[in-house]
Amino acid sequence: EAQVTQNPRYLITVTGKKLTVTCSQNMNHEYMSWYRQDPGLGLRQIYYSMNVEVTDKGDVPEGYKVSRKEKRNFPLILESPSPNQTSLYFCASRLKRAGNTEAFFGQGTRLTVV
Amino acid sequence: TQLLEQSPQFLSIQEGENLTVYCNSSSVFSSLQWYRQEPGEGPVLLVTVVTGGEVKKLKRLTFQFGDARKDSSLHITAAQPGDTGLYLCADSAGGYQKVTFGTGTKLQVIP
Repeated sequence: EAQVTQNPRYLITVTGKKLTVTCSQNMNHEYMSWYRQDPGLGLRQIYYSMNVEVTDKGDVPEGYKVSRKEKRNFPLILESPSPNQTSLYFCASRLKRAGNTEAFFGQGTRLTVV
Repeated sequence: TQLLEQSPQFLSIQEGENLTVYCNSSSVFSSLQWYRQEPGEGPVLLVTVVTGGEVKKLKRLTFQFGDARKDSSLHITAAQPGDTGLYLCADSAGGYQKVTFGTGTKLQVIP
C-alpha cells in the first residue's frame, strides 16, 4: 500500500530536549516536505526536499532542521524545542513530474512542548 | 509570498443543504488543488484545476476556477455527514516542490 508513515503520532516533551520526528514514504517520490498546522493559520511549510541531499527552507524554518540521506526518509529535527513549536506536524511526498502532482500526507504528529 | 484566503472559515449546515466555499489568491494561481482533511488524518487530494474558467465535477462536488485564475470555488450539492472536514485550497506558484495552502474552511454537516 502506497503511504507516508510518520512516527510518533503523539509526543509530549520538555523545553530544550532534542527530538526527531521520522517520516518515510514507499512511493519513490522525489519531493518531500514538512508542514505544521495551527488553528487559523492553515498548513505552513517548514522545509522541503527535491531529492537526496537537496533541501531548502520553507516559510517557517526557524528552530527546525531536516536531512535527506535516503530517498524514502525525511526526518524533522528539533534541536531545542520551545513551547511555540507545539503544533500538529505533517510530512508529505509527491512525485516529480511536469505539472502539479498530488501530495500524499502522513497521518500527522501532534507535538506538545511544555 | 503568495497568500491564499478561504471563506467562510467555519460552516455548519444540515444534511441535504447546498454550500459553496471560496479560495482567493493574492497572485495568479499556477495550478490550484483542493484537499479535504478529516479529523485525525492528513489532507487528501480532491481535484487539480489548471485552466482559467475550468469547471470540474466530482460526484456532488463542483470545482470552479476563476477566469483570471486568482479565485476558485467549491460547491457541494445535498451535503452529507461524510462531507464533514476541513477543505483546503493549495497552489504551487513557488514551484512544484513548494506548495502554499490556504487557511481552510471547516465544514460540519449535521445529520
